[in-house]
Amino acid sequence: DAGVTQSPTHLIKTRGQQVTLRCSPKSGHDTVSWYQQALGQGPQFIFQYYEEEERQRGNFPDRFSGHQFPNYSSELNVNALLLGDSALYLCASSPLRGHQTYNEQFFGPGTRLTVL
Amino acid sequence: AQKITQTQPGMFVQEKEAVTLDCTYDTSDQSYGLFWYKQPSSGEMIFLIYQGSYDEQNATEGRYSLNFQKARKSANLVISASQLGDSAMYFCASNTGGFKTIFGAGTRLFVKA
Repeated sequence: DAGVTQSPTHLIKTRGQQVTLRCSPKSGHDTVSWYQQALGQGPQFIFQYYEEEERQRGNFPDRFSGHQFPNYSSELNVNALLLGDSALYLCASSPLRGHQTYNEQFFGPGTRLTVL
Repeated sequence: AQKITQTQPGMFVQEKEAVTLDCTYDTSDQSYGLFWYKQPSSGEMIFLIYQGSYDEQNATEGRYSLNFQKARKSANLVISASQLGDSAMYFCASNTGGFKTIFGAGTRLFVKA
């Protein structure tokens, strides 16, 4: 049973460029969340996708956008990259349990993005 | 709004001893979940333990236990019999309604041989 997978592992871009990160959820999971983790900080919630729609969004600008496909995989797109976008981007999947608070998330290994 | 506070940037513990990592939370919701994750240097977040706001018993998972004090809004993680492999970053997090999860700044644990 494959866990959450993310690609690529590492990525180097320059300011102003655009980047697409990919995530495949754990088998049986239909909800995908994206987090940004800057060096030395805790992960910050970007947004969550369920049924191909964005359910909730954190405090991130519109430069950050996403998509979920019918097979539940997801993409995170970042436009007009800034130096401050350099971070580890984590994808987490979970089985939807309605409004229950127990939402154990399984995280992928992350994509480390460096913006020069 | 939810907020998680971890006041210990770094902690040292001798191998085979127990260690407590502190976490306080702030939420106005009545129903919420509290989590602890471990993040080794490889970067992957590993789920350790969960406590629901209505759970009366403290959660335990092997060598991990969560000391839940609702009135104080604290959810400390206790690791018993520390091992060298426990050296990592540890994050406390909270979640309401299954949507976004809020993480603290983390505590780096160093286990000494």
